[in-house]
Amino acid sequence: EPEVTQTPSHQVTQMGQEVILRCVPISNHLYFYWYRQILGQKVEFLVSFYNNEISEKSEIFDDQFSVERPDGSNFTLKIRSTKLEDSAMYFCASSPQGRPRDEQFFGPGTRLTVL
Amino acid sequence: AQKITQTQPGMFVQEKEAVTLDCTYDTSDQSYGLFWYKQPSSGEMIFLIYQGSYDEQNATEGRYSLNFQKARKSANLVISASQLGDSAMYFCAMREGLASGTYKYIFGTGTRLKVLA
Repeated sequence: EPEVTQTPSHQVTQMGQEVILRCVPISNHLYFYWYRQILGQKVEFLVSFYNNEISEKSEIFDDQFSVERPDGSNFTLKIRSTKLEDSAMYFCASSPQGRPRDEQFFGPGTRLTVL
Repeated sequence: AQKITQTQPGMFVQEKEAVTLDCTYDTSDQSYGLFWYKQPSSGEMIFLIYQGSYDEQNATEGRYSLNFQKARKSANLVISASQLGDSAMYFCAMREGLASGTYKYIFGTGTRLKVLA
């Protein structure tokens, strides 16, 4: 069964460093998303992406964040200058289309630890 | 105001019994979707069930059913015949404004379910 994959599973970085989190969505899916979950808290929407551009973003997704689909298969989230409060689990998700009942398929997550 | 409220931070249920996990939501949109996801201790998010605001029947998927009460804005998940493997965190999520093409999920804070042998 096709699945969303994410690398790395765990990333440790120093405050102020740039990180790139990578995702490979399911191949025929058209909509891609990033969410984050601070430990023990709820899952929060960051950004959605369709047709090579951002379609929605939350107030969390400020200028320090960017997304890219560099090669038609990968979908990346970049954090330019990490802060301690960026420590969280980051989930990538994809859905086939934007139909109302299209569930989002989540990847296993990348745990980001900022020291 | 919270868009999605899950009032039960933790629940216990005896194996083989049924359990209801509560979810209430707040939206002024007429067209929206409600989802439940399971998050085991390994961390992945597993889709369980979907209910559309215009669906007349309550959704069912195997042992999972959704008790949808639109007027009360509640979408409770019912798990029948609980199994030890059902022990996990359960999240209720909403997509609102479907007619306007928004795609993001809004999640509740989750309910941690523990199934007892």
